[in-house]
Amino acid sequence: DARVTQTPRDKVTEMGQEVTMRCQPILGHNTVFWYRQTMMQGLELLAYFRNRAPLDDSGMPKDRFSAEMPDATLATLKIQPSEPRDSAVYFCASAMGDQPQHFGDGTRLSIL
Amino acid sequence: KQEVTQIPAALSVPEGENLVLNCSFTDSAIYNLQWFRQDPGKGLTSLLLIQSSQREQTSGRLNASLDKSSGRSTLYIAASQPGDSATYLCAPSNYGGSQGNLIFGKGTKLSVKP
Repeated sequence: DARVTQTPRDKVTEMGQEVTMRCQPILGHNTVFWYRQTMMQGLELLAYFRNRAPLDDSGMPKDRFSAEMPDATLATLKIQPSEPRDSAVYFCASAMGDQPQHFGDGTRLSIL
Repeated sequence: KQEVTQIPAALSVPEGENLVLNCSFTDSAIYNLQWFRQDPGKGLTSLLLIQSSQREQTSGRLNASLDKSSGRSTLYIAASQPGDSATYLCAPSNYGGSQGNLIFGKGTKLSVKP
């Protein structure tokens, strides 16, 4: 079964450090999404790409967050500098057109 | 701004029971609506997708209905099993072509007791 792969699975770091999360979308999918899940806010869309071009990043704090797709097989989400309030589970999902989104297992981020 | 509410927040039922999970949304101008399942420590798995022109979709023991005008969707699970225990989320989409505007509810945490 094709899967969305996210690394690292877990990340614990101190505030102020740079954090990079990676996502390998399913081969052939042309749309990639980044979500953040917290107990308080639930699942929130941070950004998404279509054919590697950013379409919407309005959900992302732009002063510290950045999302890129260096190529069709890799999406990255960076936080610099990280803050304790960034602690959450970050999910990547990919899709082809109007087809349902396929989610990775997430990166559990803890900022101390 | 689309707001999604799921009721109940948690549900515990004995095995074999039929059950209904509810989802309501404030903006009825949706393109489609998806139901997802999330297991602890895992990502989301898409269960059913209903287009705005459809009234319901079925997959095995699952049936999802959509009443767009009233802003409601239900997920019906027949003959529940312990393996159905998970959190179920609904997510309407207001845009077509990209599904970029999925707005998620907080979910219903289901526990099916053997």
